[in-house]
Amino acid sequence: DTEVTQTPKHLVMGMTNKKSLKCEQHMGHRAMYWYKQKAKKPPELMFVYSYEKLSINESVPSRFSPECPNSSLLNLHLHALQPEDSALYLCASSQSGLSTDTQYFGPGTRLTVL
Amino acid sequence: SQQGEEDPQALSIQEGENATMNCSYKTSINNLQWYRQNSGRGLVHLILIRSNEREKHSGRLRVTLDTSKKSSSLLITASRAADTASYFCATDRGGSNYKLTFGKGTLLTVNP
Repeated sequence: DTEVTQTPKHLVMGMTNKKSLKCEQHMGHRAMYWYKQKAKKPPELMFVYSYEKLSINESVPSRFSPECPNSSLLNLHLHALQPEDSALYLCASSQSGLSTDTQYFGPGTRLTVL
Repeated sequence: SQQGEEDPQALSIQEGENATMNCSYKTSINNLQWYRQNSGRGLVHLILIRSNEREKHSGRLRVTLDTSKKSSSLLITASRAADTASYFCATDRGGSNYKLTFGKGTLLTVNP
């Protein structure tokens, strides 16, 4: 199974809402990533978890809060977002987090903030 | 600053033709990867080339790497309509094991 699943596929939320994005993989990978991608732009790294510990936070605003409950799951908790946070949020995983790893991407969650 | 810059930004060709996309980067790297993204979906890994390699093949894909010019090219031969997608190079900025930085991408359209 080489699949990374993400739920929900689409999410519309108001600026006062609290919501969560979920990502799951069952490939035994020990590194998981969150990326943000705006239209016609490349993915931008937000967070990296390695062996369930946060190893990289790319100066992401605190209204985005990642969580890695176990090695298969990665959540992104959203609170008090702004309209400019509307984007495609991609989750990825890789074997151990080395730069030589292939990253496997989920299909993304399309987020719209009203 | 953006590590990888692809050109052209957009490329339109006919089915059966070859497509060449280029990527330039600014700092030393350990390796360079190419990914494909169909419209609004996740990325799919295509190929990885290490800094000590000059050329690599995978099916209809050929990747070259010139570390002296800090550039790479991706050639897709005998293109098909299904190859229509955005193509991104991604570099690791050497020494930063976990972090890939993606270039701006080339939007390839293959017309049937």
